[in-house]
Amino acid sequence: AQTVTQSQPEMSVQEAETVTLSCTYDTSENNYYLFWYKQPPSRQMILVIRQEAYKQQNATENRFSVNFQKAAKSFSLKISDSQLGDTAMYFCAFTSIITQGGSEKLVFGKGTKLTVNP
Amino acid sequence: DTEVTQTPKHLVMGMTNKKSLKCEQHMGHRAMYWYKQKAKKPPELMFVYSYEKLSINESVPSRFSPECPNSSLLNLHLHALQPEDSALYLCASSQVVRRRWAFFGQGTRLTVV
Repeated sequence: AQTVTQSQPEMSVQEAETVTLSCTYDTSENNYYLFWYKQPPSRQMILVIRQEAYKQQNATENRFSVNFQKAAKSFSLKISDSQLGDTAMYFCAFTSIITQGGSEKLVFGKGTKLTVNP
Repeated sequence: DTEVTQTPKHLVMGMTNKKSLKCEQHMGHRAMYWYKQKAKKPPELMFVYSYEKLSINESVPSRFSPECPNSSLLNLHLHALQPEDSALYLCASSQVVRRRWAFFGQGTRLTVV
């Protein structure tokens, strides 16, 4: 079974500084996708960044980047120049294929609550 | 249009009531999902529809009844719920292509009294 572990229940960072959120996962698959989703108090799950396991290059989206270590099964998120609007719960997620119809099942970690302080 | 719209945003219902949650997307996605999220917990998958057919039921009690009347709409019919069913119910959609990401709605906050 696939599992996703986020070992940091809560973190805080000062505005404009850099913070890294940790995520490890366990799977026997060789090809898969990993995601970081952000859930602010508005409740909507927003995709922050995604990484394809077969790509060695780490994904980057503006101030967000990942450090993907496939052998170590590690997928950390770095947020640079933190902004107040980054305050949210961050979920690391892994795709597990649902065989019928080819649709996806997201397996989520327990989340890290990030607070950006002014 | 990259939105998944859920209605209502809030719902309070008694244990003997029947209510429905609605989800709509116009992105042409043919996979739609219901997730349940308890406070301070990650979302848990309930149902998956692929091409308007129920693909997966994650052993959800029969008091939750999903329906996918067309490729843009997903409903969740609720009947005889228990207080422990109070949660945030999230709808999501995605392309039916291997390893694509899901778009989520803002959820319906359900309280069962």
